[in-house]
Amino acid sequence: QSALTQPASVSGSPGQSITISCTGTSSDVGGYNYVCWYQQHPGKAPKLVIYDVNKRPSGISNRFSGSKSGNTASLTISGLQAGDEADYYCSSYTSIVTYVFGTGTKVSVL
Amino acid sequence: QVQLVQSGAEVKKPGASVKVSCKGSGYTFTDYYLHWVRQAPGQGLEWMGWIDTNSGATTYAQRFQGRVTMTKDTSINTVYMEMDSLTSDDTAVYYCARGVGGSHPDWGQGTLVTVPS
Repeated sequence: QSALTQPASVSGSPGQSITISCTGTSSDVGGYNYVCWYQQHPGKAPKLVIYDVNKRPSGISNRFSGSKSGNTASLTISGLQAGDEADYYCSSYTSIVTYVFGTGTKVSVL
Repeated sequence: QVQLVQSGAEVKKPGASVKVSCKGSGYTFTDYYLHWVRQAPGQGLEWMGWIDTNSGATTYAQRFQGRVTMTKDTSINTVYMEMDSLTSDDTAVYYCARGVGGSHPDWGQGTLVTVPS
């Protein structure tokens, strides 16, 4: 199972919006609505920010939103803040009853 | 609140095996699968497998099949991940994570396993 494809880095200025893409196949992202996004700060465990494509866990800011079209999912962070600077990973359930993570995207706030 | 507490850091010689534990609390342990995910230094997340904490059934990522064994002890709400034939490529932080639907909302603090080359 190959890792889902994400851009290595995305940057934006405070207050701007950025979007991170996550491309898979019809056997994972395109086949199921079990796409999640995780935020990871250095030295910390990942934190779930979006699940089931576009749902936010309790306590997650509505500045985080998710969507999916075909085999590509996206995470949008609006009103970018300094605290959003982190690594972001997508993940998806797969047709062989496993999970796969994305390659990861480093978000920088300029 | 949900907590997953993992065992401490390990240093192992090449060819040895390691067993990492993960103790769950704050929820009904057998109602949720537990997953293992690893992260090599400076690298991304890699899903390793899951264990059904009720039945003990397991599913492993293909690259770990035959080398990783996940087990449970429901009397102490703990799961274990054992990996054999360690090499320096297995140096990583190993996380356990609770599975809820298709997501992993709760994670352990991570266990660093170091295999010097």
